[in-house]
Amino acid sequence: GAGVSQSPSNKVTEKGKDVELRCDPISGHTALYWYRQSLGQGLEFLIYFQGNSAPDKSGLPSDRFSAERTGGSVSTLTIQRTQQEDSAVYLCASSFILAGAGEQYFGPGTRLTVT
Amino acid sequence: AQSVTQPDIHITVSEGASLELRCNYSYGATPYLFWYVQSPGQGLQLLLKYFSGDTLVQGIKGFEAEFKRSQSSFNLRKPSVHWSDAAEYFCAISGAGSYQLTFGKGTKLSVIP
Repeated sequence: GAGVSQSPSNKVTEKGKDVELRCDPISGHTALYWYRQSLGQGLEFLIYFQGNSAPDKSGLPSDRFSAERTGGSVSTLTIQRTQQEDSAVYLCASSFILAGAGEQYFGPGTRLTVT
Repeated sequence: AQSVTQPDIHITVSEGASLELRCNYSYGATPYLFWYVQSPGQGLQLLLKYFSGDTLVQGIKGFEAEFKRSQSSFNLRKPSVHWSDAAEYFCAISGAGSYQLTFGKGTKLSVIP
C-alpha cells in the first residue's frame, strides 16, 4: 500500500505568515507523530496522536505551533507567525504498534524555509 | 532522561570495505533500539530494530546491529559497503510503553568508489 505522504514537499514563506503542513498516514495506522529536523538540532519530537486520546504536545517548541488530526487519519501541523528559526524539515511518521513506538514509517518531509 | 550519542559525525569508507557505525545510549532500563537511514531528500527508512531476544539483529540491505547491554551500545555493521549506502544514519531509542523516539544526531556516510 501507499506510504506516508506529506504536502507540500517544499514551502517558502515570509516571516510572520502562518503555514499549514499536511500528513496522510498509512491506512490503518493508529499512531501519528510529527518531528522537526534542523541543522544542529537533529531530529526533535514535536507531537504524537494515538487514536482518540488527547495528543502529547510536550515537544512543541512554542504556542505558535499546533496540530490536529481529523477522523483519526490526516493531520495538519500549523505554525503561526513563522520565524526564521522555524526553517527546518518537518517529518511525519505513523505506526500501528503502540508499545515501544513500534516501527515508525516516515514520510518524505516538508522543507520549510522562512525568509 | 533518555539520550542517544552517535560519536562520529562523518565517516568515509571505500566501496567494498567493512563498516561500523557507533551508537551509545542512556536509558534507565532496556530500551527499544532502532537504526534508520536517510538518503538525500528522502524520509527515514527503518533498517532494523531490537526489542528483545537475540542481541544480534539482522536488517535490510545487508546491515546488522548488536545490542551490548554492558556497553550501552547498539552499533551498526555491514561487511561490504556499496556506493548506494552513502546516506545519513540515525540511531534511535524508545522504551516499553513509550511512543516517542529519541534520535542521535546522525552519522553521514560517504563511500569512495
